[in-house]
Amino acid sequence: GAGVSQSPSNKVTEKGKDVELRCDPISGHTALYWYRQSLGQGLEFLIYFQGNSAPDKSGLPSDRFSAERTGGSVSTLTIQRTQQEDSAVYLCASSLKSGGATEAFFGQGTRLTVV
Amino acid sequence: AQSVAQPEDQVNVAEGNPLTVKCTYSVSGNPYLFWYVQYPNRGLQFLLKYITGDNLVKGSYGFEAEFNKSQTSFHLKKPSALVSDSALYFCAVRGPTISGGYNKLIFGAGTRLAVHP
Repeated sequence: GAGVSQSPSNKVTEKGKDVELRCDPISGHTALYWYRQSLGQGLEFLIYFQGNSAPDKSGLPSDRFSAERTGGSVSTLTIQRTQQEDSAVYLCASSLKSGGATEAFFGQGTRLTVV
Repeated sequence: AQSVAQPEDQVNVAEGNPLTVKCTYSVSGNPYLFWYVQYPNRGLQFLLKYITGDNLVKGSYGFEAEFNKSQTSFHLKKPSALVSDSALYFCAVRGPTISGGYNKLIFGAGTRLAVHP
């Protein structure tokens, strides 16, 4: 597709369950980001993949959170044993590799609700 | 460490008046700076960026931003506000790493712009 695609668009899960959120970046984009946005709030950085380099995981809030990027393309963000405070919109973005000057393009997000 | 601050939670402006949304940053070295807009129930959209060169950059929807290195600021401006400009605006920064690459993109907390008729 032409843009960043995220699925599902909405996810309701019970507390304690595991969830997987998927991101398909723009074709050819080697950088991929995950952010979290609580209702009407700012963007909290979670993790950053850049090409074949080791990912920057410094924003992951706990060891319940993990992410993978397979084949340099699709990424999955996994949250284990979900808690109510995990409820938020999870945003994925991708950008080209041409240094730091390129803007990131965002998907529509996955709204996660933990009940 | 790199950081970005948006000192105003909300900016109110009358339609037709000029608007300014403030942003300051902290990085080691030359920054790349970005503005994004988020309309209600929609994803983030890129507005404009500063890489190098002219301090005044122009972007989408008539917005522009002025890079001021001495004040480490990158304020977003528009000469005449529209009601349809009402949205959440985010400033973002990316600074160089020691190894010659660039860091992750870090966002400010956002500023809600309300343009009144």
